[in-house]
Amino acid sequence: KAGVTQTPRYLIKTRGQQVTLSCSPISGHRSVSWYQQTPGQGLQFLFEYFSETQRNKGNFPGRFSGRQFSNSRSEMNVSTLELGDSALYLCASSFRNGGTDTQYFGPGTRLTVL
Amino acid sequence: EDQVTQSPEALRLQEGESSSLNCSYTVSGLRGLFWYRQDPGKGPEFLFTLYSAGEEKEKERLKATLTKKESFLHITAPKPEDSATYLCAVQDHNTDKLIFGTGTRLQVFP
Repeated sequence: KAGVTQTPRYLIKTRGQQVTLSCSPISGHRSVSWYQQTPGQGLQFLFEYFSETQRNKGNFPGRFSGRQFSNSRSEMNVSTLELGDSALYLCASSFRNGGTDTQYFGPGTRLTVL
Repeated sequence: EDQVTQSPEALRLQEGESSSLNCSYTVSGLRGLFWYRQDPGKGPEFLFTLYSAGEEKEKERLKATLTKKESFLHITAPKPEDSATYLCAVQDHNTDKLIFGTGTRLQVFP
């Protein structure tokens, strides 16, 4: 089975711009979660989508948004980029097995904001 | 509030020198505890899921154990290729959110 894929792998943007990141989950996985990873804060949960509905949300400003399509593919958007948004953005897809949701991560998108 | 604390932050070992990584957690209801390995510039790679106190899982040189308050990742006779950051996460039974610790950066020298 193919793993989680994320595009693009690298992005360079300037402050004030907006960006859209894409994630294709493992086939059969209906849940997609997004995380921001920075050296100082570690992995911070952004949001989770399940069957096209946002199921959970972290503590990020409204500039961060996402959506999920009927084929489970997901996108996240960041508007009005700030320098502090520079980070590795990780997508994970999951399925429920044995009562837990095992999350499988993609390789991430490295976003640099100048 | 759910919280995950990992220690030590960094660990340097000689090849063959066994050690343990700690993950302490506070969660209202534990659905599961996860261990991941992350190499620089890559996404975390799933290692184990533990569900209840007393449970143990093994994979090659790694063994994960779970108590009601913490989990240990034991590394037996590590090799340089075991060098990575090891992340611990808990899933809250009430919110289903996955809360990650900040990880232990392991370096194994030949």
